[in-house]
Amino acid sequence: EVRLVESGGALVLPGGSLRLSCAASGFTFSSYEMIWVRQAPGKGLEWVSYISSSGSTIYYADSVNGRFTISRDNAKNSLYLQMSSLRAEDTAVYYCARDLGVFWGQGTLVIVSS
Amino acid sequence: QPVLTQPTSLSASPGASARFTCTLRSDINVGPYRIFWYQQKPGSLPRYLLKYNSDSDKQQGSGVPSRFSGSKDDSTNAGLLLISGLQSEDEADYYCAIWYSNTLVFGGGTKLTVL
Repeated sequence: EVRLVESGGALVLPGGSLRLSCAASGFTFSSYEMIWVRQAPGKGLEWVSYISSSGSTIYYADSVNGRFTISRDNAKNSLYLQMSSLRAEDTAVYYCARDLGVFWGQGTLVIVSS
Repeated sequence: QPVLTQPTSLSASPGASARFTCTLRSDINVGPYRIFWYQQKPGSLPRYLLKYNSDSDKQQGSGVPSRFSGSKDDSTNAGLLLISGLQSEDEADYYCAIWYSNTLVFGGGTKLTVL
């Protein structure tokens, strides 16, 4: 069974940093591209970032480019999202997903507020 | 103008069919693009329904009933999701997406009410 479990969400001050993790199991993690998607309260889905199976290709949404860094450790079956210079508008549930959203984690909540 | 436009809401009766549209911006031809569809019920994570490019290039999500189907309408430059035999449990938000210019672009979502 494919399983994706996010962690690391928290309440953080504007300008602060946070690292999200996504633990994958039930499939060969190193064979699949992964994405982060977020959803602000009461809003729709917003793609955040993409990483290829090897980690050699990475893309970001304009809204996070230069502030967020996606990475993966295929030996640990884990995906990461390092977030810095956080803003109130980054407040959202952050989901990791396999492929382009074929499988989703349950999400982790990030609140950016003073 | 957004890359993908979806109607905000749609309502239909149990047993009827619901047709969701996902219209691409006029400068983007729907032809080459795979259209992804997701369902999200309140308080739940998104669920992958299917992707559709053509009748020979499509994929149904695991466990997704065949009453959910995808297509395209070249005349309106749109991807379509059709749900037949509507059930109360189909009430949810439905999102389309395409991989465009190295980004995954989501539509704004359509809220389906089954009444």
